[in-house]
Amino acid sequence: QSALTQPASVSGSPGQSITISCTGTSSDVGAYNYVSWYQQHPGKAPKLMIYDVSNRPSGVSNRFSGSKSGNTASLTISGLQAEDEADYYCSSYTSSGTRVFGTGTKVTVL
Amino acid sequence: EVQLLESGGGLVQPGGSLRLSCAASGFTFSSHAMSWVRQAPGKGLEWVSAIGGSAVSTYYTDSVKGRFTISRDNSKNTLHLQMDSLRAEDTALYYCAKDNDVEALDIWGQGTMVTVSS
Repeated sequence: QSALTQPASVSGSPGQSITISCTGTSSDVGAYNYVSWYQQHPGKAPKLMIYDVSNRPSGVSNRFSGSKSGNTASLTISGLQAEDEADYYCSSYTSSGTRVFGTGTKVTVL
Repeated sequence: EVQLLESGGGLVQPGGSLRLSCAASGFTFSSHAMSWVRQAPGKGLEWVSAIGGSAVSTYYTDSVKGRFTISRDNSKNTLHLQMDSLRAEDTALYYCAKDNDVEALDIWGQGTMVTVSS
């Protein structure tokens, strides 16, 4: 049950697009379309941003999009805004019926 | 309003026990799997345990197997996590979260802090 691998930090200027990668294995990310992404602001609980690789819950901006290729999933934030500055975590269902989170990525808006 | 409220955290000595609770409201509790997720100070999220809606199926991360027990009382809309043989590395903010039925956690509580220290 090793954590999924994410870059420690990603940054971009307002209006730009950034992409966060999430690399797992053929037993988790590569095996199922059950990849989700969470946003966490300091001192706050995580918030679901994407589920099932690319679906957005009601109320989440369409500036957030997700995709997957093989064992790597990605979250793209387009039209970056100051309020997007936060930590982002991916998560995947695993072949043992458990879940695993990514190592987390700090997004900085320059 | 859909809400999850955790309680039961606190300071405990290594080797001690603690029971966390999570009170759910605003949705049909028995219809959804529930999870516990923890976050050590300054660290990332770590999934801990999950339980199906009917409580038949339970799952644990390797580091807590045999020490933690997840349970639920659907008559009281409450989720529990019994934590035994606690270690310093169990120190974290513990969140309960609702499963949206497609393996994602769509509702989170605010967390309850567990500190294991002598």
